[in-house]
Amino acid sequence: DTEVTQTPKHLVMGMTNKKSLKCEQHMGHRAMYWYKQKAKKPPELMFVYSYEKLSINESVPSRFSPECPNSSLLNLHLHALQPEDSALYLCASSQGFGNRVREKLFFGSGTQLSVL
Amino acid sequence: AQKITQTQPGMFVQEKEAVTLDCTYDTSDQSYGLFWYKQPSSGEMIFLIYQGSYDEQNATEGRYSLNFQKARKSANLVISASQLGDSAMYFCAMREGGETSGSRLTFGEGTQLTVNP
Repeated sequence: DTEVTQTPKHLVMGMTNKKSLKCEQHMGHRAMYWYKQKAKKPPELMFVYSYEKLSINESVPSRFSPECPNSSLLNLHLHALQPEDSALYLCASSQGFGNRVREKLFFGSGTQLSVL
Repeated sequence: AQKITQTQPGMFVQEKEAVTLDCTYDTSDQSYGLFWYKQPSSGEMIFLIYQGSYDEQNATEGRYSLNFQKARKSANLVISASQLGDSAMYFCAMREGGETSGSRLTFGEGTQLTVNP
């Protein structure tokens, strides 16, 4: 099983809503990532979890709140988003130990988020 | 400073022909890894090929090969015998050594490849 599963695939929310994005992997990976991607642009790193602890936060606004309940799950809680937050949100995982330079990321299919 | 540069926003190739997608990078680390990913319109990022900075041979994976020129800091992707399904956005990415920086995969701006029948 080499899949990273993201739900939902599409999400439309208002600026006052609270919603969550979910990500799951069963490859025994110990590093998990959230990326944000605008159309025709490269993915931008938001957060990295290593062994279930937040190791990198790329100065993301507090209206995005990540959570890693266990080594297989990663959530992104959304609250009071702005229209400019509309984007494709990609989850990824990687081995998280050993020679980090060689580590490839396995990506999910993403959640296409629209904020109205 | 831009760490990964892809100078071709768009490329066109005829089916069954080969195409080269350019990528140059900038790092002062001796140990680093270079990756190519494909992103079809469906959105998923698909890993294609990896080249390590200490690897002496150019990487190959099926129809994909990486033309690695370390002194020039370039890692171009060569796709042989293009297929219609190769039409997608292609991203070059780099992971540098180091405890924290090793967690980051830095992407270039991407090249949109269109394969014509």
